[in-house]
Amino acid sequence: RKEVEQDPGPFNVPEGATVAFNCTYSNSASQSFFWYRQDCRKEPKLLMSVYSSGNEDGRFTAQLNRASQYISLLIRDSKLSDSATYLCVVTGSGNTGKLIFGQGTTLQVKP
Amino acid sequence: GAGVSQSPSNKVTEKGKDVELRCDPISGHTALYWYRQSLGQGLEFLIYFQGNSAPDKSGLPSDRFSAERTGGSVSTLTIQRTQQEDSAVYLCASSLEGLAYYEQYFGPGTRLTVT
Repeated sequence: RKEVEQDPGPFNVPEGATVAFNCTYSNSASQSFFWYRQDCRKEPKLLMSVYSSGNEDGRFTAQLNRASQYISLLIRDSKLSDSATYLCVVTGSGNTGKLIFGQGTTLQVKP
Repeated sequence: GAGVSQSPSNKVTEKGKDVELRCDPISGHTALYWYRQSLGQGLEFLIYFQGNSAPDKSGLPSDRFSAERTGGSVSTLTIQRTQQEDSAVYLCASSLEGLAYYEQYFGPGTRLTVT
């Protein structure tokens, strides 16, 4: 079983749609959680950290459920520029920066 | 300011040859990480340096892989006797400190092709 599991998609949505991605992680000792964005043939970039209380950044909302070991990302009012691969990322045991990545979910926003 | 830089951007090598990949982290960042991304695979952690501490090598896939970080700055990832399964994009990242909540900034990667 992979340490971080995501539905690879692709998710094809029209502009303006709301889309949600989910991921699960297996290590209950993971302490920090993130969503990264990766454009085609580019390096990953941090989209947002994920906190237990849930957090929002503009059109993006992230949620963490530690009991279920489940992380989500909601994108409202999708833009063409949101087309990318979204990577669910957790840290290993302890609080080091060693990141464990899911395989990513591909989003394609169409006009 | 300058981001993380990596060289070369592309490397094609023959099976059995050794290769060296270079990473220049952001100035002042004490933590440096190497990951690789193979076709159809997610990013995979390889090794992590934090200041003068012993590196965390737990992700290196075999003893053909090694890395060093000189003077707390530039890092070199060396792959000896390359195999076709080593073909991947090798990504370097740096962060201010080696703790989880510090953002990691990734370089553009080195695309390695072993023929």
